[in-house]
Amino acid sequence: NAGVMQNPRHLVRRRGQEARLRCSPMKGHSHVYWYRQLPEEGLKFMVYLQKENIIDESGMPKERFSAEFPKEGPSILRIQQVVRGDSAAYFCASSPSLAGGRDTQYFGPGTRLTVL
Amino acid sequence: AQSVTQPDIHITVSEGASLELRCNYSYGATPYLFWYVQSPGQGLQLLLKYFSGDTLVQGIKGFEAEFKRSQSSFNLRKPSVHWSDAAEYFCAVVNNAGNMLTFGGGTRLMVKP
Repeated sequence: NAGVMQNPRHLVRRRGQEARLRCSPMKGHSHVYWYRQLPEEGLKFMVYLQKENIIDESGMPKERFSAEFPKEGPSILRIQQVVRGDSAAYFCASSPSLAGGRDTQYFGPGTRLTVL
Repeated sequence: AQSVTQPDIHITVSEGASLELRCNYSYGATPYLFWYVQSPGQGLQLLLKYFSGDTLVQGIKGFEAEFKRSQSSFNLRKPSVHWSDAAEYFCAVVNNAGNMLTFGGGTRLMVKP
């Protein structure tokens, strides 16, 4: 059973470009979460999605960031007009369901974004 | 709002020595707690979790953790550390809705030969 897949593993963008990060959840998982890890810091929650729905985006920056989880295909985290401060590792996690309201999240290997 | 504190940013232990990594949480209800490990350049691997029941939980790679409600702690332990345990360790708590993990700042473990 393949784990959570993320690609690309490394992404380099120049300021002002767009970054697209993809995440395929574990088989059978319908819940996807995105987290950001800034250098020398812990992970911070960004957004929680189910198929075709954004459930909680309380951790997303108000501008330039968006996320989707379409009916078919991977979840996408999109960053428009990237700035140097967006350089970080972006992790995706998935879970099968919210059993009793809480379940274990399994993480992908991350995408390391570098903005030049 | 929930929070997690890992007081030790760096810890160095000798191979074969015992290990305890501290984690303190702040949460209004019964917490669901996790320990994850992150090797350099890698993603996070779940070591163990506490949802309810026995307050001493066993995980993978010989790790265990003890939930102490009175101290708001969930410390991670291993009786004998191996060089391959060198990594960063994160403690986390999930919110009531189950959709958001709040992580501590992490503890970086170094193992001396």
